Amino acid sequence: DADVTQTPRNRITKTGKRIMLECSQTKGHDRMYWYRQDPGLGLQLIYYSFDVKDINKGEISDGYSVSRQAQAKFSLSLESAIPNQTALYFCATSDPGTSGTNEQFFGPGTRLTVL
Amino acid sequence: AQRVTQPEKLLSVFKGAPVELKCNYSYSGSPELFWYVQYSRQRLQLLLRHISRESIKGFTADLNKGETSFHLKKPFAQEEDSAMYYCALGGNAGGTSYGKLTFGQGTILTVHP
Repeated sequence: DADVTQTPRNRITKTGKRIMLECSQTKGHDRMYWYRQDPGLGLQLIYYSFDVKDINKGEISDGYSVSRQAQAKFSLSLESAIPNQTALYFCATSDPGTSGTNEQFFGPGTRLTVL
Repeated sequence: AQRVTQPEKLLSVFKGAPVELKCNYSYSGSPELFWYVQYSRQRLQLLLRHISRESIKGFTADLNKGETSFHLKKPFAQEEDSAMYYCALGGNAGGTSYGKLTFGQGTILTVHP
């Protein structure tokens, strides 16, 4: 089955370290997204990409950067991690041009802890 | 600006009782509304979308444009319904927000035996 995968699934790091979270998809979707989930705040959009050459900031992009290496790969980087970036991070994909819907498909999440 | 509000962070019911998770939205165009569910330690998965008007796992949701609401309902809750539920709004085709979703803060539903 076509899927969205994320690596690593869990990561503990220290303040000031650089860390990269990776997302891959076999759905053939052009659009990819990165969200963070915090208790009581729901899902907040960090960055999104509508195709390989398109990168856009979301609601909370400060402290993060992204790279769209290919249609199937979208990486999120924390250049210098800080404790308040401790959260659950989700990648998602969509294909509204083909499906006619805004529906998004989510990866399993990466739990990041910054000490 | 588009916004989704889920007024209840926590909702507890007993097995067999009716349940309603509230969702209100603000959007100037024709929205596309979704309910996503996240079971413990799992990924978000689509539960319902208003366009399909189908019932999934006994849940239904009706888009009320007059009240700008998309409440999720189930007449008889089951323990396996315990999860986090997110209401989400997508913009209409051609709009600047098409392809993006705005999520509510989520409601944690607990169904007690």
